[in-house]
Amino acid sequence: NAGVTQTPKFQVLKTGQSMTLQCAQDMNHNSMYWYRQDPGMGLRLIYYSASEGTTDKGEVPNGYNVSRLNKREFSLRLESAAPSQTSVYFCASGTELYSNQPQHFGDGTRLSIL
Amino acid sequence: GDSVTQMEGPVTLSEEACLTINCTYTATGYPSLFWYVQYPGEGLQLLLKATKADDKGSNKGFEATYRKETTSFHLEKGSVQVSDSAVYFCAQSSYDKVIFGPGTSLSVIP
Repeated sequence: NAGVTQTPKFQVLKTGQSMTLQCAQDMNHNSMYWYRQDPGMGLRLIYYSASEGTTDKGEVPNGYNVSRLNKREFSLRLESAAPSQTSVYFCASGTELYSNQPQHFGDGTRLSIL
Repeated sequence: GDSVTQMEGPVTLSEEACLTINCTYTATGYPSLFWYVQYPGEGLQLLLKATKADDKGSNKGFEATYRKETTSFHLEKGSVQVSDSAVYFCAQSSYDKVIFGPGTSLSVIP
């Protein structure tokens, strides 16, 4: 099925470890996004990429880096994980027509930092 | 700054009851407004949208009207089903970002 695919679905890390969350979309969308979802706070934008080769900071970029590898893939890296980064992470994509409006979300990565 | 406020949940309704989830926004410009739905264990899905004042978005029996005078975008459905149990997020889009509300959890019981 077409859509946004995230891996892994679950991950437990120790403080200070690093990891990369992978995201791929097969809808030929230009825009891709990374959000984190925390209880009572809705979704907050970490980074976004309006097109291949460009990335921009969102609301909460500290502690994260991203790579727009190609049009399909947009990865999120935690260089030195901290307990405050325990969250559910969602990747999303959108079309040019609805710029800055994510239309399709992945199922999320549930990340726990001990 | 720009923000979105939603009614606190959880909301519990019986099947076939009427639903209203309140949403208000603050914005410096003229944002587009959205409702997203998140079913258990899944990502968000765009439910409906409105791009200018007095527009009505509708989908799957849900409706919301962009009210500029009251800066509101309340979600309504006349008769809810058990399958509507989910978390609903109001959001606004302006300039270069989308701002989400905290979400309202809805449980519909048979």
